Order: sequence, then structure tokens, then C-alpha cells
Amino acid sequence: EIVMTQSPATLSVSPGERATLSCRASQSLNSNLAWYQQKPGQAPRLLIYAASTRATGIPARFSGSGSGTDFTLTISSLQSEDFALYYCQHYNNWPLTFGGGTRVEIK
Amino acid sequence: QVQLVESGGGVVQPGRSLRLSCAASGFTFSNYGMHWVRQAPGKGLEWVAIIYYDGGNKYYADSVKGRFTISRDQSKSMVYLQMNSLRTEDTAVYYCARNVGNFVLLDWGQGTLVTVSS
Repeated sequence: EIVMTQSPATLSVSPGERATLSCRASQSLNSNLAWYQQKPGQAPRLLIYAASTRATGIPARFSGSGSGTDFTLTISSLQSEDFALYYCQHYNNWPLTFGGGTRVEIK
Repeated sequence: QVQLVESGGGVVQPGRSLRLSCAASGFTFSNYGMHWVRQAPGKGLEWVAIIYYDGGNKYYADSVKGRFTISRDQSKSMVYLQMNSLRTEDTAVYYCARNVGNFVLLDWGQGTLVTVSS
């Protein structure tokens, strides 16, 4: 099983600032990585797949990068609606696994 | 628009069984694989199972293998999760999700809560 490790666990950022979230896999994923956003009481929402491709309707301030074992989600200028939990997920093989999540909170 | 509605959650004693249902609409159901993902209270996401678009392949997380069974009814656009020998650690919100491409979870339901407690 591939272990996904996200850091930091919590990120405190001021509105308008940049947020950089990291995700590391225990083995190479090529680019088989997705990012999801989850707000309290809501289901997750797909943001990024194939490491860097934004899902339909996702604002351009969200970008993904990386390949192999190290990946990054960047939110270029945080808006109030972006304060949430973020999860990475690999789909390189079975079983699929998620990272433990990064909470982005208001500084 | 795509809609996924889960049902069947509730409170159940350890060792008992429960069947979850997910009603899909807004897309051609028989063309898509479907997942179940769960989230224990205050915890992260845990993938549970997938059934391919034609029901021909199924995969499970090790934590549920041999106890849970995923199935689908193409005529009803429904996906199910039969959960047997439930444990307290199975307590979670269970989401169904639509698969796209190479196992990306595009659309999610709002979830149904399963509580395993004596």
C-alpha cells in the first residue's frame, strides 16, 4: 500500500497570501495524483487530477505540480472560501489511498 | 446535473450487517465506475471499494476485504455496499463517488452516517 504524507497538518495564511501544500508518496506515482477540497459538513470536491490539471470550474488560483513522489498544491491568493481541508489521493494502483489532510486556516 | 444520493445508514451493533445504497442520476450510469469512501468522525478520508462500469472488477481496502461487498444494478442506476461483521472502527460517514478516467473521484454524494455501537 502506498502511504501518502501531507504537510503541514495546519497552515495559517492571511487572505490574499499564497498557500503551498505538500504531498509525498512512499513510492513513485508518475503523475497519478489528485487533490480534493473539503469544507465542514460537505463532501470533498475534486480540484486537480493528473498532478496538475484543474477540474472543470476550478479557479486558476489553484495549481498543482510535481511528479514521482513529491507533489505541491498552490493557492496563489487565498480567498475566504478557500479556508478548508485539502487532501491528496494517489491512483497509481490498488488500494487507492489519501493523505491525512492539510487544514488551511485564517491567520 | 450529476446527483448521487446515499441512504441506508444508521446505528447498528457490532457484528451485525447493514446495506448502503447510492442512487445515481444525471449521467449514463453504466459507463462509469463507482466508489465508496468513508470518513470517521473528525478523521480523514479512507477509500473503501470500487466497482467497474460493467461490474466486472471490484477492489477493496484491506480493512474491509472479506467483510464488505460492492455491487451495482444497472437497470436502477444504483450502487450498493453490503457491510457484514461490522466493527466499531467502521463508524463513519460513507460517501459514494463517480469514477472518471484513471480512478479519479469526480462527483460525490453527501454521505450517510453509519454508527457501530453496542
